[in-house]
Amino acid sequence: AQKVTQAQTEISVVEKEDVTLDCVYETRDTTYYLFWYKQPPSGELVFLIRRNSFDEQNEISGRYSWNFQKSTSSFNFTITASQVVDSAVYFCALSVYTGRRALTFGSGTRLQVQP
Amino acid sequence: GAVVSQHPSRVICKSGTSVKIECRSLDFQATTMFWYRQFPKQSLMLMATSNEGSKATYEQGVEKDKFLINHASLTLSTLTVTSAHPEDSSFYICSATLVGRYENIQYFGAGTRLSVL
Repeated sequence: AQKVTQAQTEISVVEKEDVTLDCVYETRDTTYYLFWYKQPPSGELVFLIRRNSFDEQNEISGRYSWNFQKSTSSFNFTITASQVVDSAVYFCALSVYTGRRALTFGSGTRLQVQP
Repeated sequence: GAVVSQHPSRVICKSGTSVKIECRSLDFQATTMFWYRQFPKQSLMLMATSNEGSKATYEQGVEKDKFLINHASLTLSTLTVTSAHPEDSSFYICSATLVGRYENIQYFGAGTRLSVL
């Protein structure tokens, strides 16, 4: 069975601050995918990134960056120079390569960016 | 690209009625569609997985007779909540995965907020 833990329930920052959202996962599969999704107040989930288990390269996309470390089973997400529009719930998720490939979600981290 | 349309976005119904929710992949063919349920301020819980032309696979604890899933084509899956009761009130959200290169990325619809009176 898979498990994803997002220990931070809620984070509040002031605009322009950097913020890191933590994600720790558990799986016995050697091939898996990790994801981050954003859920703004409107409700739909917006895909941000997918990373497979064989690719530990960190990734940067604009103000977003992701740090994948297999040694600690972590896939952390950093927003640099946060903006009010970043306010949302962020979910980390895992799917394994075999079977139905369903997503196992973490409990989510609510990010509030204050102006 | 990779747009998933979910309809309706909100529905209010009386207890005992059935509600159908549609999930469409607009610009791609979806090998698999998933249905999730989300309670307020909680995470998404997988209800079932559906593949075109075959029966849905339900998660443990999800009543298949209560939540009927039909996946008629590679672009359409429907979830029918039969004889809805107030405890079925929730946010239902579907997702679809692509055929091909970006398979395994789930693209989500905007969700349906169901309120049963």
